[in-house]
Amino acid sequence: DTEVTQTPKHLVMGMTNKKSLKCEQHMGHRAMYWYKQKAKKPPELMFVYSYEKLSINESVPSRFSPECPNSSLLNLHLHALQPEDSALYLCASSQDSGGVRGETQYFGPGTRLLVL
Amino acid sequence: AQSVTQLDSHVSVSEGTPVLLRCNYSSSYSPSLFWYVQHPNKGLQLLLKYTSAATLVKGINGFEAEFKKSETSFHLTKPSAHMSDAAEYFCVVSDRAGLNSGYALNFGKGTSLLVTP
Repeated sequence: DTEVTQTPKHLVMGMTNKKSLKCEQHMGHRAMYWYKQKAKKPPELMFVYSYEKLSINESVPSRFSPECPNSSLLNLHLHALQPEDSALYLCASSQDSGGVRGETQYFGPGTRLLVL
Repeated sequence: AQSVTQLDSHVSVSEGTPVLLRCNYSSSYSPSLFWYVQHPNKGLQLLLKYTSAATLVKGINGFEAEFKKSETSFHLTKPSAHMSDAAEYFCVVSDRAGLNSGYALNFGKGTSLLVTP
């Protein structure tokens, strides 16, 4: 089973709201990732967790706050977002530490976020 | 840093004809290369990957890609296009995310494949 699940599928929020995106995998993977994808663009890496510790933060604004409660779960907490943050948010996982060259990442279907 | 360039932003083919999506890479050492596909409003699915084993890599749904070091290319091909192949295709290279970081994926800008009846 190479499935990564994400909830919710769609989310509409105001600029003062607080919401969370959830990602789950049961493949025993130890690295998990958040990407942001704008329309007609490739995904952009936001965060990498390796063995439940944040290993990469690609200079993401603090209004995005990741959390990895355990090896199967990854959350992205959202607060005071801007309309330009509207995008598809993709979660991915990979088997090892995220530090292995050529490691395959498995992607979830994404959460489509609209900030009003 | 390693990078990939997808040479066509849009490719249009007729159903049943061959597909060629072009990708060139830039790398100072032997790269790890991937092709991912993204159907509308969906996540990304791995089609195939090259990690310095056989230069001709076979993937899912009849796709294959050939690693050519002399040409620094990793083009994606399929002998006969289906309507269901219409999607966005990304060529991707694995590269270090930072000086003391592990590897992350560097995506090309994508090629949109249109399949006409």
